[in-house]
Amino acid sequence: AQSVSQHNHHVILSEAASLELGCNYSYGGTVNLFWYVQYPGQHLQLLLKYFSGDPLVKGIKGFEAEFIKSKFSFNLRKPSVQWSDTAEYFCAVRGGGSQGNLIFGKGTKLSVKP
Amino acid sequence: ETGVTQSPTHLIKTRGQQVTLRCSSQSGHNTVSWYQQALGQGPQFIFQYYREEENGRGNFPPRFSGLQFPNYSSELNVNALELDDSALYLCASSLDQSSYNEQFFGPGTRLTVL
Repeated sequence: AQSVSQHNHHVILSEAASLELGCNYSYGGTVNLFWYVQYPGQHLQLLLKYFSGDPLVKGIKGFEAEFIKSKFSFNLRKPSVQWSDTAEYFCAVRGGGSQGNLIFGKGTKLSVKP
Repeated sequence: ETGVTQSPTHLIKTRGQQVTLRCSSQSGHNTVSWYQQALGQGPQFIFQYYREEENGRGNFPPRFSGLQFPNYSSELNVNALELDDSALYLCASSLDQSSYNEQFFGPGTRLTVL
């Protein structure tokens, strides 16, 4: 069965620090990979996605993620975080095929201190 | 363009009761997916509806059922509520059931079972 592991439950950073959130997935076939963000009081929204091609994916608000197939990983990075990046971040995987259901990790809460 | 909306925002029920949650999909979207997000967890896939037919189901018992209407809005029904059903229920719509289409999430319905 597919599964997603996010290594950090809660990350606390100061503004301008660099961010890397870990995500590993378990699935043997072709996968689509996603990072979603949930800002306080707001809906889940898509940060970035990987389907195929360049394994380094750029998303909104300066975020990027790298797909490393051999490590089954899709880590999220940002060179310099801002207070407004305080949110919960979810990694998700979807197996190839017509079904669109997402398998989510448990999420990582990011707190950025001003 | 109106996004995904859900009603009600909050709901309190007692064990054994039945509940209906509603979702209006984004304009032009014919696919709706439902997720359950327990406290401290990532969203878990319940089922998906595409053009009024169930198009995939996660590991949830039959007392979780759904409907999709001709206008592509959807309902989630839960019978014989249990304490563990307390969670945030998320609805997501997409253009169609293809795995390449982004899912847009609603704000969720917070269900508390006492």
